[in-house]
Amino acid sequence: SYVLTQPPSVSVAPGKTARITCGGNNIGSKSVHWYQQKPGQAPVLVIYYDSDRPSGIPERFSGSNSGNTATLTISRVEAGDEADYYCQVWDSSSDHPVFGTGTKVTVL
Amino acid sequence: EVQLLESGGGLVQPGGSLRLSCAASGFTFSSYAMSWVRQAPGKGLEWVSAISGSGGSTYYADSVKGRFTISRDNSKNTLYLQMNSLRAEDTAVYYCAKVPWGEFLVMANYFDYWGQGTLVTVSS
Repeated sequence: SYVLTQPPSVSVAPGKTARITCGGNNIGSKSVHWYQQKPGQAPVLVIYYDSDRPSGIPERFSGSNSGNTATLTISRVEAGDEADYYCQVWDSSSDHPVFGTGTKVTVL
Repeated sequence: EVQLLESGGGLVQPGGSLRLSCAASGFTFSSYAMSWVRQAPGKGLEWVSAISGSGGSTYYADSVKGRFTISRDNSKNTLYLQMNSLRAEDTAVYYCAKVPWGEFLVMANYFDYWGQGTLVTVSS
């Protein structure tokens, strides 16, 4: 099945920009969705269709997707952004969704 | 406001059974496909199963096919997951999640709302 690879961890200082990558074979041809999961909480959708934001998600969250890498960018990082982030795509070969390995974002 | 509230988790012995429920509110339940996604302790997210809004179509991950059964009661706004022949590797928090459309087999599908999850522990 389709494999999505994320870095295990990303560290960023408050006010700086965090970039979380999601690698997959020709992922640019798929739509990528991103979820934020804070400790002990359920996942929350933060980006869908590569770069769309659900209502209530700050504009600081943005996404892009091209070639073999999709990227979630968090601008002006705040302490409250500390969480695990997962990418997700639809695997058309198996007809089910696939999640990335997850990235823990630490705010220094 | 969309709300999803799971229940039914607990400790069960290997080979045992458990039924999870997910009570939904804040949207027209029958109009949307629903899904179960699980997360083993300290691990990532794994899709488990899904069902269309009408309940006429069901889908399963290979890891649970033949052991788990998803269903829904649209008159009660409730989603279910019947889990049989449970194994230690089924230990996880099980989340119910809403899909933005009535059908699940939609290219680029995703999950727009999630419940808080219920913990299933399979151990002797």
